[in-house]
Amino acid sequence: KQEVTQIPAALSVPEGENLVLNCSFTDSAIYNLQWFRQDPGKGLTSLLLIQSSQREQTSGRLNASLDKSSGRSTLYIAASQPGDSATYLCAPNSGGSNYKLTFGKGTLLTVNP
Amino acid sequence: GAVVSQHPSRVICKSGTSVKIECRSLDFQATTMFWYRQFPKQSLMLMATSNEGSKATYEQGVEKDKFLINHASLTLSTLTVTSAHPEDSSFYICSARAPSGAGWQYFGPGTRLTVL
Repeated sequence: KQEVTQIPAALSVPEGENLVLNCSFTDSAIYNLQWFRQDPGKGLTSLLLIQSSQREQTSGRLNASLDKSSGRSTLYIAASQPGDSATYLCAPNSGGSNYKLTFGKGTLLTVNP
Repeated sequence: GAVVSQHPSRVICKSGTSVKIECRSLDFQATTMFWYRQFPKQSLMLMATSNEGSKATYEQGVEKDKFLINHASLTLSTLTVTSAHPEDSSFYICSARAPSGAGWQYFGPGTRLTVL
């Protein structure tokens, strides 16, 4: 059974800082891994998807890396802004016939002006 | 990205009543949709996988007779919470798998269910 751990659970930084969010998962047999953000009381917004064969993906100020063999992914946020404040979730995808995602509890990020 | 909608966004009901939640993929056809439940400060827990035209696959511990799922078309899946009780109060979120091979899943905005 896949288990996902995200560290830290919460992070507070001043505006402009670069930061790294960590995700580890126990079963390395994944198809891909998605990073999401969730604003309070809202659904999930897809940020990045890394295929199991890839090492990293970039979108704007976001860069996600994947080390499948060690069961780790990181999300790097450059030049953080107050609007980046949210909970960030990583979810490895088991692939197979159903493409199940397994979620960790997320990292609550607060970017202070 | 693709758009997934949910309706209603909030519902308050009395204990013992049934509540239906709709999940629609607005700009793509989704053969597979997923239903999750999220309790406060907890991670999303997969409840069931909904495949168009076939019975849903439920995760261990989820009562299929209580949480009825219907995926009658490629753009609509419904979750009905039957005989709701206060412990069913939660945030219910659906997602839809995009048809491309990359495996993206797009999530709806969620439905806040409160059972009195």
